[in-house]
Amino acid sequence: AQSVTQLGSHVSVSEGALVLLRCNYSSSVPPYLFWYVQYPNQGLQLLLKYTSAATLVKGINDFEAEFKKSETSFHLTKPSAHMSDAAEYFCAVSSSKAAGNKLTFGGGTRVLVKP
Amino acid sequence: NAGVTQTPKFQVLKTGQSMTLQCAQDMNHNSMYWYRQDPGMGLRLIYYSASEGTTDKGEVPNGYNVSRLNKREFSLRLESAAPSQTSVYFCASKGPSHNSPLHFGNGTRLTVT
Repeated sequence: AQSVTQLGSHVSVSEGALVLLRCNYSSSVPPYLFWYVQYPNQGLQLLLKYTSAATLVKGINDFEAEFKKSETSFHLTKPSAHMSDAAEYFCAVSSSKAAGNKLTFGGGTRVLVKP
Repeated sequence: NAGVTQTPKFQVLKTGQSMTLQCAQDMNHNSMYWYRQDPGMGLRLIYYSASEGTTDKGEVPNGYNVSRLNKREFSLRLESAAPSQTSVYFCASKGPSHNSPLHFGNGTRLTVT
């Protein structure tokens, strides 16, 4: 079975400050990990994905995430927050054993950016 | 570049009414999915279809049925709507690899009174 835990349902950051969103996963086999972003009244868009090629993954809009197997973590960071980063972020896991290519999502973290 | 298209965008139903949510994708993906999104619970899988002609239950299938009409279309039906089904529903499709990302529609916001 696979599962995802996102620590913190809400995060508030100042514009220009570091954004750090935490994600821990559970998977019985090597996982594939994803971060998605959801802007208001829209569907989810892929930010980045980890597929075992490199532990540090760069995505769109200067976001990056680091896969740490020993900590079963895949935290998302951005060095300098912008007002346009206000959105909800979801971590998700899949694996080669997941029937039907299913993804399992975390509960989401809503980011508020203060001017 | 339509991607995944869902209709309708909004719907209000009375308890006991039925309706079908429509979804179509133009990316030639085999796999399609229906999720519901509720505050604080992320996205939960209702049903999925790994290929044309097959459907399987996800995490929360009770009260729903699906039809994979062809490779492009995957519909979700509520036979007798209940207030607990008030939610935002997302359809998604996925390429063949386990590391392929999901492509989402813009969602259907359903309220059951």
